[in-house]
This record gives sequence, structure tokens and C-alpha cells, in this order.
Amino acid sequence: DVKVTQSSRYLVKRTGEKVFLECVQDMDHENMFWYRQDPGLGLRLIYFSYDVKMKEKGDIPEGYSVSREKKERFSLILESASTNQTSMYLCASSSLHSGAEQYFGPGTRLTVT
Amino acid sequence: DAKTTQPNSMESNEEEPVHLPCNHSTISGTDYIHWYRQLPSQGPEYVIHGLTSNVNNRMASLAIAEDRKSSTLILHRATLRDAAVYYCILDFGNEKLTFGTGTRLTIIP
Repeated sequence: DVKVTQSSRYLVKRTGEKVFLECVQDMDHENMFWYRQDPGLGLRLIYFSYDVKMKEKGDIPEGYSVSREKKERFSLILESASTNQTSMYLCASSSLHSGAEQYFGPGTRLTVT
Repeated sequence: DAKTTQPNSMESNEEEPVHLPCNHSTISGTDYIHWYRQLPSQGPEYVIHGLTSNVNNRMASLAIAEDRKSSTLILHRATLRDAAVYYCILDFGNEKLTFGTGTRLTIIP
């Protein structure tokens, strides 16, 4: 059974803290993605990666960075968390071929106070 | 980039077929049409995708108009577990998917 796991289901952090969200996939997928989901806005792509050490900005990269040191792991970093980054964060992975489906993790609900 | 348009919400009776529409009038020739759904408190899950021909799998069927400007996801016999938000998405071949706000499907027992 394919699996995308995220390090936490719920996280509460203070404004200004550095936050790491971890995502691991066990399908040997080349592509990995980070989205955030907010009511009324749907899912929005933050960053994605086609390969180890490669990253591409998505639609809303401001305030975030990412790291992909190993193929199976993709980390999302909030350098200095702010209250407007309170959201549900979803990680996904997919293989390289055209039309490939994305597999999603369960999500991390982050609250910044 | 081509966009999709879906109704905000739909209702259907349990054990009845459900037809979820999607318009994508600016689709280009190589764009795949994907459908995902998101059950409450879960991440989205893949349902089905197609390019030109109608497609069937164990979860649903995808009917694509001949001009490809619209498509319909068909759930043949809705159950309460099919209550979810359904997203129609165009894949431009660069592996990026742009999710809209989808259609919230309510199943009436």
C-alpha cells in the first residue's frame, strides 16, 4: 500500500519560531509537493521538487523554504512563523510520467499563535 | 493556464447515480483531465483521469466531451462514504496540479 506520511497531525507554534514540517514517501517517487489549504481558497501549491536537491516555487512560496536531501523526504520550513501561516499543510508525491496521480499525506494542521 | 469551472455544491440520494460536471473550455490538446476527491479530515485522493476517451475504474467513470471542453465524473451508485469535495483539475504535463475549490457533494440517506 502506497504511503505518504507527515510528521505531525497537529502543531502549535508561536509567532517568530522556526517550524519544520516533514514529509516522507515510500514509493520511490521523483516528484514531491507542498500545498496549503484554507477555507474558501482550496489547495494552493507552495513548492515542489522534481529530484533530490531540486526545488521549484509554486504559487505562494513567500515565507517558506524547502529542503530535499533524500529522494523520499521533502521538508517545508517556515523561517519565522506568522499568524497568517496558520493553515492545513498537505504533502504529496507522484512519479515522473505524464498524467501521473499524486498521492497525498493526511495533512498537518498548524496553528501559529 | 487553462482553468476549470465546477458547481460549488450538489446533493444526491444514496444509491442513485451522481453526475458531477466540469467545464474547461480553454483546455489545450495535451492537457490531462484529473479528478480528485477529499473526504472530511483527510488529504485528497486520486479518483480518475483521462485525455480524450471515456475512462472507467473501480471508483468511477469519466465521460469527456468530444470537443474536450467539458467532462463529467460519474459515480454509478452513491453511498454515504462518497460525501466529499470533488476537484476537477487540468494537468498541463509539468506534474503541477492547480486545485480550485471543487464541488461539495452531499449524499442524502
